[in-house]
Amino acid sequence: DQQVKQNSPSLSVQEGRISILNCDYTNSMFDYFLWYKKYPAEGPTFLISISSIKDKNEDGRFTVFLNKSAKHLSLHIVPSQPGDSAVYFCAASRKNSGGYQKVTFGTGTKLQVIP
Amino acid sequence: KAGVTQTPRYLIKTRGQQVTLSCSPISGHRSVSWYQQTPGQGLQFLFEYFSETQRNKGNFPGRFSGRQFSNSRSEMNVSTLELGDSALYLCASSRIGLATDTQYFGPGTRLTVL
Repeated sequence: DQQVKQNSPSLSVQEGRISILNCDYTNSMFDYFLWYKKYPAEGPTFLISISSIKDKNEDGRFTVFLNKSAKHLSLHIVPSQPGDSAVYFCAASRKNSGGYQKVTFGTGTKLQVIP
Repeated sequence: KAGVTQTPRYLIKTRGQQVTLSCSPISGHRSVSWYQQTPGQGLQFLFEYFSETQRNKGNFPGRFSGRQFSNSRSEMNVSTLELGDSALYLCASSRIGLATDTQYFGPGTRLTVL
């Protein structure tokens, strides 16, 4: 049961344009959401996060939007740069029965920014 | 500060064997999580350890086990390897494992089961 879904396995965008990566989740107990970026042969690196009490968080060129009613979040990258080409993972966190946080990752979207 | 290190980086085993992977977290981090990455499945959570105790567990069979030592270093073990266990195994550490604690990932161990 994939509770966090990234339905687009890949995305191509021209340099300078906006990249929009989407993520849907099914569990309403998730209360914290994150995006990670992964280059080949490296582990994922944290990009940006958002709490469920907010609907937007911005960090430089990266903005994450959360729509709780639709159980949907998106990552906007503006402007896109060739160095942004990577696999992007959406992740969601909730407390388990013991009260500890458990993070669930999506399947990833491979972004290619074309110069 | 040194990052998360994982050893070995690459491993080839045959079906039925067992394997042990090692993870050294960032100094001062007490939470260590393990993930399995396979094509099309994303990162699947295996388990999380904090202060030598398993706090969280994913939906993997009992062949997958782990432990954490008093210095926060962690190992995961897979017994009776199957072809489907071929994957990239990632370890991540964070300060105390809160959702707001950034997880720092190691480069992973690429396991191939023949």
